[in-house]
Amino acid sequence: DIQMTQSPSTLSASVGDRVTLTCRPSQNVSLWLAWYQQKPGRAPKLLMYKASTLESGVPSRFSGNGSGAEVTLTISSVQPDDFATYYCQQYNSDLGITFGQGTRLEIK
Amino acid sequence: EVQLVESGGGLVKPGGSLRVSCAVSGFSITNAWMSWVRQAPGKGLEWVGRIKGKDYGDKIDYAAPVKGRFSISRDESKNIVILQMNSLQTDDTAVYYCTTPLTRPEDFSASWGQGILVTVSS
Repeated sequence: DIQMTQSPSTLSASVGDRVTLTCRPSQNVSLWLAWYQQKPGRAPKLLMYKASTLESGVPSRFSGNGSGAEVTLTISSVQPDDFATYYCQQYNSDLGITFGQGTRLEIK
Repeated sequence: EVQLVESGGGLVKPGGSLRVSCAVSGFSITNAWMSWVRQAPGKGLEWVGRIKGKDYGDKIDYAAPVKGRFSISRDESKNIVILQMNSLQTDDTAVYYCTTPLTRPEDFSASWGQGILVTVSS
């Protein structure tokens, strides 16, 4: 199965900051990439799929970029509600569906 | 509004079996792709398996750690998805989430249940 490596593991930011989270697959996954946000004790929430398609209802401050070897999730201006853990997922079942280990976005 | 509600979790001894169900409302599961994702305590997310919609031949795929021990099925009359777990091991302890991409024939998860805890311990 493909390994998904997220960096950094923890990211400290202030409200209003622009932050970028990175996900590196061990093989080219083309655009089969999704991003999720999870808060403690809650189910994850889908933010993005096909690497850069925003799920309905997700604020436009979230954006996705890249394909293949490196994919990024950018929050243009971090809001208080954004402090959470973020996971990337490779969802091409022919390659084995896997998640990254997560990036925790914390308040600086 | 689409709702997914898991039930049937609990404590089971190693080697035992457990059946977890996902009741779906607001949405027909007949042609939906339905998946299970789990999360061990304090850990990240792990994909468990998926059943494709009837129009995709109900194809089922499993993650390597559960293949041969877990099975996914669908009861259209009740609009529920079932995860049957056999030969449970301590590292199967996790919150199990039922998920679906809704009407899209894809393997990402747009709608999630609240999760159900399965604990495997002697």
